[in-house]
Amino acid sequence: AQKITQTQPGMFVQEKEAVTLDCTYDTSDPSYGLFWYKQPSSGEMIFLIYQGSYDQQNATEGRYSLNFQKARKSANLVISASQLGDSAMYFCAMREGPGGNNRLAFGKGNQVVVIP
Amino acid sequence: GAVVSQHPSRVICKSGTSVKIECRSLDFQATTMFWYRQFPKQSLMLMATSNEGSKATYEQGVEKDKFLINHASLTLSTLTVTSAHPEDSSFYICSARPKSYWGNNSPLHFGNGTRLTVT
Repeated sequence: AQKITQTQPGMFVQEKEAVTLDCTYDTSDPSYGLFWYKQPSSGEMIFLIYQGSYDQQNATEGRYSLNFQKARKSANLVISASQLGDSAMYFCAMREGPGGNNRLAFGKGNQVVVIP
Repeated sequence: GAVVSQHPSRVICKSGTSVKIECRSLDFQATTMFWYRQFPKQSLMLMATSNEGSKATYEQGVEKDKFLINHASLTLSTLTVTSAHPEDSSFYICSARPKSYWGNNSPLHFGNGTRLTVT
């Protein structure tokens, strides 16, 4: 069963606008971590932001913020003030369990293209 | 800090040959490294988990004799694609977990990936 779901088609975003990328997840483990990674066309995976299942507040990291709705099992990424360099694939990932082997399950990704 | 270096970044090889991909943690020790495969415009699929000094744990459907993984030191893991075929052409990317990280929130650090083309 798919653990991470990212279903949005490719998105075009106007520069300086905000964009929200959807991510829903499925787990029965009370302890888990949610991650967002950015993958530009060059291929490297760049860590953006983390949200723990027990965190009371939504994570923020510069222009990135995570809209964590635990009851809905969603962890949407919000990129504010989009820049041309934000054009990339964005992957939501989940790690289950309290540390352990740190395996990450990835969603299929969201393609974002920022237009001037 | 937490830099992972992967080499080579691109490789083209002939069908039937073997290719070795290296994944090094440059400024930290990694007890665990992960190898992922990514097809174009698709997600990352975990192939195997590599633990220093022990045998790798392969995901279901991944042939261990086809994809040989060696994690001989705390800073180096290698993936060897043996007797490569065109269907092995893909983007392979490694990630590492620093030895000092035990928390759930520690991100994995990724290499820049290797694009393998088998002709």
